[in-house]
Amino acid sequence: QVQLQESGPGLVKPSETLSLTCAVSGYSISSGYYWGWIRQPPGKGLEWIGSIYHSGSTYYNPSLKSRVTISVDTSKNQFSLKLSSVTAADTAVYYCARLNGGWFDPWGQGTLVTVSS
Amino acid sequence: EIVLTQSPGTLSLSPGERATLSCRASQSVSSSYLAWYQQKPGQAPRLLIYGASSRATGIPDRFSGSGSGTDFTLTISRLEPEDFAVYYCQQYGSSLYSFGQGTKLEIK
Repeated sequence: QVQLQESGPGLVKPSETLSLTCAVSGYSISSGYYWGWIRQPPGKGLEWIGSIYHSGSTYYNPSLKSRVTISVDTSKNQFSLKLSSVTAADTAVYYCARLNGGWFDPWGQGTLVTVSS
Repeated sequence: EIVLTQSPGTLSLSPGERATLSCRASQSVSSSYLAWYQQKPGQAPRLLIYGASSRATGIPDRFSGSGSGTDFTLTISRLEPEDFAVYYCQQYGSSLYSFGQGTKLEIK
C-alpha cells in the first residue's frame, strides 16, 4: 500500500523559500509514475503546483512556475518542493500525491505552512 | 489553461435524497482525464471517480460519474450521512492540471 508523508517547517518568513519533502513508502519512485504537489489555502480550493517523474522531468503550474522547483531523490524514495519569495498568499496546506494517469491517488495527509514574520 | 466551474456552490439535501453535482470546463476535456474527489474537514481529498465514470477502489456504487466534452456530472444516488463533504472535479490536459472550486454538500 502506497503511503506519502509530507514534512518541513510549519512557519516560513515572507520573502524566504518554503521547502517541503514528501517521503514515499510502499512503492519505489524509480519504478515509475509522476508525483505531484497540490496546495489548499485555508477555507479555499485546491491548486496544482507541479509534478515530477522519477527521471526528473517536471511540469509546473504556469502561475507559480517562476518560483517553484520540484526535485526527486530516488535513493531516499522522496521528492521535494521549493517555493521561493513567499508571501502570506502562499499560506496553505500542502499535499503531495501520486499521479495515476491523469488523477491524484493516493494523497499524503497534508502539512500546513504559514507565511508570517 | 482549462478552467473548471462547479455548480452549485452549495447543495443542501437530506439523507436518502439524490445529489447531482456539475462540473463545466472552459474547453473540451478528454473523458479519460476527468476525476472527482471528496474532501471532509481536516482530511486530504479522496479520489472517487477517474476517467469521468470509473469508480476508484473501495468507492460505493451509489457514486457515479458521467459526461463528456465540457460537461461532467457526479451523482450520489442515495445520500448517506458520511457523504456530506466538499466535492472537487479535476482535469488533466497538455501536462497541466486544474481543479474546480468545489461544491459543498450540506445536510438540509
